[in-house]
Amino acid sequence: GQSLEQPSEVTAVEGAIVQINCTYQTSGFYGLSWYQQHDGGAPTFLSYNGLDGLEETGRFSSFLSRSDSYGYLLLQELQMKDSASYFCAVRDLQAGNNRKLIWGLGTSLAVNP
Amino acid sequence: SQTIHQWPATLVQPVGSPLSLECTVEGTSNPNLYWYRQAAGRGLQLLFYSVGIGQISSEVPQNLSASRPQDRQFILSSKKLLLSDSGFYLCAWLLPGQAYEQYFGPGTRLTVT
Repeated sequence: GQSLEQPSEVTAVEGAIVQINCTYQTSGFYGLSWYQQHDGGAPTFLSYNGLDGLEETGRFSSFLSRSDSYGYLLLQELQMKDSASYFCAVRDLQAGNNRKLIWGLGTSLAVNP
Repeated sequence: SQTIHQWPATLVQPVGSPLSLECTVEGTSNPNLYWYRQAAGRGLQLLFYSVGIGQISSEVPQNLSASRPQDRQFILSSKKLLLSDSGFYLCAWLLPGQAYEQYFGPGTRLTVT
């Protein structure tokens, strides 16, 4: 089957750096996406890695290693507002289903003062 | 720019009552549309997706149904709600040919009592 695994919870303090890992098992692979969801809100797109390496967008970076079927989201200079759930997702490439995303269960990040 | 609307924002319905949630997208044509459900503190469960008018794919057998009467309108319905239908319902869209960046509406929080 196809699945993504990520830690259920991560805790960090303001100003610190935190890494949220995601490992995937899929039939084919087109890239790894990351989404952020605050309590009560809708998910919003953060980043996408189609190729190996690091993609940086401000305080957030995302990394992909296709040979290891692994990626991570790196959040630097943590702020209280970064407390949210973070989801990794991949495109479902099974026959006839290439317009869907497969989602991880999400990592709840708590940033403490 | 593209915008996605969902209503109502919150809904409290008794068991056995009907349901109709509506989602409309502005600023794009022929998007792929999706209905997700999210239980409290959980991940995203894909319920239905549509690649065009009248084309609906169901992911999870249940007492819900979906329809796409117009290009940018997606409706989620039920004839008789169950307690287990409670959750946060999210509509999302994806441009044709786009693979990884889904845009979500604000969501409808449904409580079945």
